[in-house]
Amino acid sequence: DVKVTQSSRYLVKRTGEKVFLECVQDMDHENMFWYRQDPGLGLRLIYFSYDVKMKEKGDIPEGYSVSREKKERFSLILESASTNQTSMYLCASSPPTPGKGGYTFGSGTRLTVV
Amino acid sequence: DAKTTQPNSMESNEEEPVHLPCNHSTISGTDYIHWYRQLPSQGPEYVIHGLTSNVNNRMASLAIAEDRKSSTLILHRATLRDAAVYYCILRDSGGSNYKLTFGKGTLLTVNP
Repeated sequence: DVKVTQSSRYLVKRTGEKVFLECVQDMDHENMFWYRQDPGLGLRLIYFSYDVKMKEKGDIPEGYSVSREKKERFSLILESASTNQTSMYLCASSPPTPGKGGYTFGSGTRLTVV
Repeated sequence: DAKTTQPNSMESNEEEPVHLPCNHSTISGTDYIHWYRQLPSQGPEYVIHGLTSNVNNRMASLAIAEDRKSSTLILHRATLRDAAVYYCILRDSGGSNYKLTFGKGTLLTVNP
């Protein structure tokens, strides 16, 4: 079964810490994405990548950075965690064009910043 | 991505068919219609997609209007496990087609 795996299901970090969220996909997909989901705000795109070492800002990139050194791995970095970054983080991957299929999402990482 | 309009919520009974509508009057000729669903405490799950013709897969059927300005996701026999938020999303096959923009979707309640 094809899969997107996120390294942690639950995470608690302190304000000011540097946080790494890891995502790995086994489908050889070109595109990878990081979203966050908050009650009442829905899913919002943070960053995406359409190729190794390539990245594009999404709708809410402030306070985040990403890294894609290998095709299968896409990391989200919170440089200095803040309480307003407490959220559910979802990683996804997709084929290069919408006609080839849909996104596959991971199970999510629920991050709490205290 | 072009805009879609879905009802906020719908209700169904178990083992009955469910028709989830989506309006996309500004759809362009290169837009694919994608459907996703999100079960409680899980990430969204791809359901089905289509361009012009009706589509069937093991999860659902997608009926696309002839003018493509609307579509309907059909669950042939709803089960309690189908209770979820269903999202209808348009994805352009040309240009910058990387992003998937989620609206508020339709919350489907399935009654036993």
